[in-house]
Amino acid sequence: TQLLEQSPQFLSIQEGENLTVYCNSSSVFSSLQWYRQEPGEGPVLLVTVVTGGEVKKLKRLTFQFGDARKDSSLHITAAQTGDTGLYLCAGGDNYGQNFVFGPGTRLSVLP
Amino acid sequence: DSGVTQTPKHLITATGQRVTLRCSPRSGDLSVYWYQQSLDQGLQFLIQYYNGEERAKGNILERFSAQQFPDLHSELNLSSLELGDSALYFCASSVERRSDTQYFGPGTRLTVL
Repeated sequence: TQLLEQSPQFLSIQEGENLTVYCNSSSVFSSLQWYRQEPGEGPVLLVTVVTGGEVKKLKRLTFQFGDARKDSSLHITAAQTGDTGLYLCAGGDNYGQNFVFGPGTRLSVLP
Repeated sequence: DSGVTQTPKHLITATGQRVTLRCSPRSGDLSVYWYQQSLDQGLQFLIQYYNGEERAKGNILERFSAQQFPDLHSELNLSSLELGDSALYFCASSVERRSDTQYFGPGTRLTVL
């Protein structure tokens, strides 16, 4: 069974600071997705990374997929209060059948 | 707005009862996924349907069942409800059979008293 671990579990920072959250596994994934979820709402897809070593930027968010396709990171530059939420990584195997979510990193950005 | 709709938004019922949750995928999406999210378990994959047929099964209890209809909407049936079934239930959809790039609905909050 493929498992995804995320760290840190909780993160509280001041507005304007930078941060990085991590998603790790001992298994290889065909792709990894990052989602952000706000309380009481469904997860919203931020990005999909598919190639080992791939880096994708979405405004102040930078996503990286590890060379071995076992891990990923999300870096936020100059965090804003609107970045507050639960950040989930998710991935599937090469057959597209086993799809798992990590437990998430709960981010609080304080004004 | 992801384009995925779920009804009802909230559901309160008693132990032992049976409920049905409904999901309409995004226009053009053939795959529907069901997830359960509780505070202590995180987001757990339950089951996937593709174009009317079951494609993948996750941690779905025998008391739970789902189906996808010809118009591609899906229903999740939960029976003999227990207190521990209280959770948020999400539906997601995608265009293809593979699980990448899923779009989530707003969820149904089920409370079992």
